[in-house]
Amino acid sequence: ILNVEQSPQSLHVQEGDSTNFTCSFPSSNFYALHWYRWETAKSPEALFVMTLNGDEKKKGRISATLNTKEGYSYLYIKGSQPEDSATYLCAPDVYSGGGADGLTFGKGTHLIIQP
Amino acid sequence: DAGVTQSPTHLIKTRGQHVTLRCSPISGHKSVSWYQQVLGQGPQFIFQYYEKEERGRGNFPDRFSARQFPNYSSELNVNALLLGDSALYLCASSPEMGGYTFGSGTRLTVV
Repeated sequence: ILNVEQSPQSLHVQEGDSTNFTCSFPSSNFYALHWYRWETAKSPEALFVMTLNGDEKKKGRISATLNTKEGYSYLYIKGSQPEDSATYLCAPDVYSGGGADGLTFGKGTHLIIQP
Repeated sequence: DAGVTQSPTHLIKTRGQHVTLRCSPISGHKSVSWYQQVLGQGPQFIFQYYEKEERGRGNFPDRFSARQFPNYSSELNVNALLLGDSALYLCASSPEMGGYTFGSGTRLTVV
């Protein structure tokens, strides 16, 4: 069972401010890292799938970086808006011994944007 | 194009009963995975099916079973329900390699 840590657990940010949070995971047998945004009563929405060490991906005001050697990823949100309020989940995907182990999710960072 | 659809959206069952949850993947996706999410935790992997065969299973008791049909839809079955089975059950579909798209889940309450 992978140990996936996300910090902080929750975060209150003023509208317009920028913020970032962290996902830590074991670096062995790494294959990919998934970031999801999950709004209440909706389905988790895929943000990024990252595979390469040093990779940086961007989607609008949201970007993410990946360090596979030390086992961490940062998610950044620039100029936070109320619609960014959600739980952000990360999940590493690892090579298994021929079978599929699924994604191991962290507990998420619960982001609240205050107007 | 329809996303991943799950039914029912909400369900209340009594301890000891059996439940069947259903999932229809995105058209063209041959893999379906099931996850359980309890409050305060991230989703936990239960099963993955690809081309109607079980490809992986998480750390869940044998009361949990699943299957995938020729049209790639899937059912998750839970027997002898316990109070602790109360959770949101998520289904995700994917093409052969990664790129999981989730449904909005079935909220199961066991009383």
